[in-house]
Amino acid sequence: GENVEQHPSTLSVQEGDSAVIKCTYSDSASNYFPWYKQELGKGPQLIIDIRSNVGEKKDQRIAVTLNKTAKHFSLHITETQPEDSAVYFCAASREGGYQKVTFGTGTKLQVIP
Amino acid sequence: NAGVMQNPRHLVRRRGQEARLRCSPMKGHSHVYWYRQLPEEGLKFMVYLQKENIIDESGMPKERFSAEFPKEGPSILRIQQVVRGDSAAYFCASSPEAWGRGTGELFFGEGSRLTVL
Repeated sequence: GENVEQHPSTLSVQEGDSAVIKCTYSDSASNYFPWYKQELGKGPQLIIDIRSNVGEKKDQRIAVTLNKTAKHFSLHITETQPEDSAVYFCAASREGGYQKVTFGTGTKLQVIP
Repeated sequence: NAGVMQNPRHLVRRRGQEARLRCSPMKGHSHVYWYRQLPEEGLKFMVYLQKENIIDESGMPKERFSAEFPKEGPSILRIQQVVRGDSAAYFCASSPEAWGRGTGELFFGEGSRLTVL
């Protein structure tokens, strides 16, 4: 089955700086890579996703990159704000058929005002 | 449109008791997934259900754990004879189509936090 590794487990940045979270996956057939944000006491919520037919996707201050050859993908948050503080999970799955979504172990991001 | 509703939000049980966690998916969603989150760990898949059917229970322990999603009413995750190691947050998610199809997004509830004394 799929195995997703995520680093770092914790990340502290100053407000306004950038934050980068990296993930690797094992199943070369995986082709859908979502990122979820979990605020304290809440359930995870999808913030951005990328499919294997593109190498990069941006949405305002958030961007994801995908390197299929190396089987890794990253989340980039620019101009971080205190409300970005949360736990972020990467995930991988295979579209087009039944394949469960496998999550990474999470990164706790703290943005220091 | 109400989101995924889970209850109870917090549940305390003594060792050996039973825990029942309920999940009502978003309106129009017929696919339900249960995940377990242990402290400092990620989300571990447990089971995937459609109405009246268990599609994949490969992540669920063989003993003491069961899940159902009846034709009427919420999905239920049942843990019998709880042990301290069952203490965790249990999240339910739903989607309008099976995973891998549609937008791929899973809609999560706010979780049920089980504490076993």
